[in-house]
Amino acid sequence: ETVLTQSPGTLSLSPGERATLSCRASQIVGSTYLAWYQQKPGQAPRLLIYGASSRATGIPDRFSGSGSGTDFTLTISRLEPEDFAVYYCQQYGFSRGSFGPGTKVDIK
Amino acid sequence: QVQLQESGPGLVKPSETLSLTCTVSGGSISNYFWSWIRQPPGKGLEWIGYVYYSGSSNYNPSLKSRLTISVDTSKNQFSLKLSSVTAADTAVYYCARGEYYYDIWGQGTLVTVSS
Repeated sequence: ETVLTQSPGTLSLSPGERATLSCRASQIVGSTYLAWYQQKPGQAPRLLIYGASSRATGIPDRFSGSGSGTDFTLTISRLEPEDFAVYYCQQYGFSRGSFGPGTKVDIK
Repeated sequence: QVQLQESGPGLVKPSETLSLTCTVSGGSISNYFWSWIRQPPGKGLEWIGYVYYSGSSNYNPSLKSRLTISVDTSKNQFSLKLSSVTAADTAVYYCARGEYYYDIWGQGTLVTVSS
């Protein structure tokens, strides 16, 4: 089983600042199989990034994904008020999926 | 655009079977993988499993002995059955489109396991 660890657990930032979220896997993940989601309270998750670095349809270009192997990063270049939420990374490998525990981005 | 909607009982008794259906509207269920994901209250996301429109499926090993995911192409629906439920199965259950990432999600339905 591939375990995903996300850091930090909480990121306190101000609108306009840059957010850097980390996702580390316990074993190598194929880049095709790494995705990022945003979830707001009471809502379903929304796909942001798939294939480690490809933006999903309709996702603003301030969101970007990078990384390979066991280390992946989601960057939000300039935080907008609507970006304060919980972010999850997710992998699929060895015929099963798993999610990281999430990083909460809140307003400083 | 494609939309997903979960339906089923919101309350299930311990030891009984949890049954949910996801209805796909605005598009065909064919040629896609369809998944179930759950989220216990206040906690993170857990992958449950998926079914291909042809009927082949893949399950989370931790749930496999209790789980069945099936598809009904004539109704544009897919379903989840989880047997012998306990309080640990209390969660918001989401249906979603995709095999290894999920681009369209239902709104989710809370299922509480309690007597």
